[in-house]
Amino acid sequence: GDSVTQMEGPVTLSEEAFLTINCTYTATGYPSLFWYVQYPGEGLQLLLKATKADDKGSNKGFEATYRKETTSFHLEKGSVQVSDSAVYFCALITGRRALTFGSGTRLQVQP
Amino acid sequence: DTAVSQTPKYLVTQMGNDKSIKCEQNLGHDTMYWYKQDSKKFLKIMFSYNNKELIINETVPNRFSPKSPDKAHLNLHINSLELGDSAVYFCASSPSRTSGSSYNEQFFGPGTRLTVL
Repeated sequence: GDSVTQMEGPVTLSEEAFLTINCTYTATGYPSLFWYVQYPGEGLQLLLKATKADDKGSNKGFEATYRKETTSFHLEKGSVQVSDSAVYFCALITGRRALTFGSGTRLQVQP
Repeated sequence: DTAVSQTPKYLVTQMGNDKSIKCEQNLGHDTMYWYKQDSKKFLKIMFSYNNKELIINETVPNRFSPKSPDKAHLNLHINSLELGDSAVYFCASSPSRTSGSSYNEQFFGPGTRLTVL
């Protein structure tokens, strides 16, 4: 079946540091890939997505590139802020149309 | 203004009780979902409805019964609540395939935190 593997957290960074959160996947067919963010006490918000190989999704300074050859969709940001502290979920969807999520990675950014 | 809303936000109840969680979306979407997030933050699909028709039913105990009176609403009824049902339940919706590239995007509600004592 489909699965998503994310790096374990928490990831603790100082403000303005570079962020990478690794995500790899296994899926039947050609999935669409997503990053969702969950701020404390809130629901999930779509951060970015990519629907085919080599697509780059970007939003709010975050980027991720759909790499079919390595089945990866790593999340990056050049300079994190305290307000980026949240839990980040990598996810995929195939024709089945239900999201398969990774286990989530908690990011803590210190001032 | 709210896109996907859920009620209640918090639900505390005793073991053995029956409870319902309601979900409504005003986005005009055709498909709605229920996901469960456990204490370790892991999210898993429970059910999905498309135009009031059940299309995904994961291995969820029969005590959980979704009901979709119309395509804007998807409620979740839980019978005989158990301690292990304590979790955050998220409702989500997504548009139809005719909506173009956004049809795979799912919009989530704020969640309902269920605590079974």
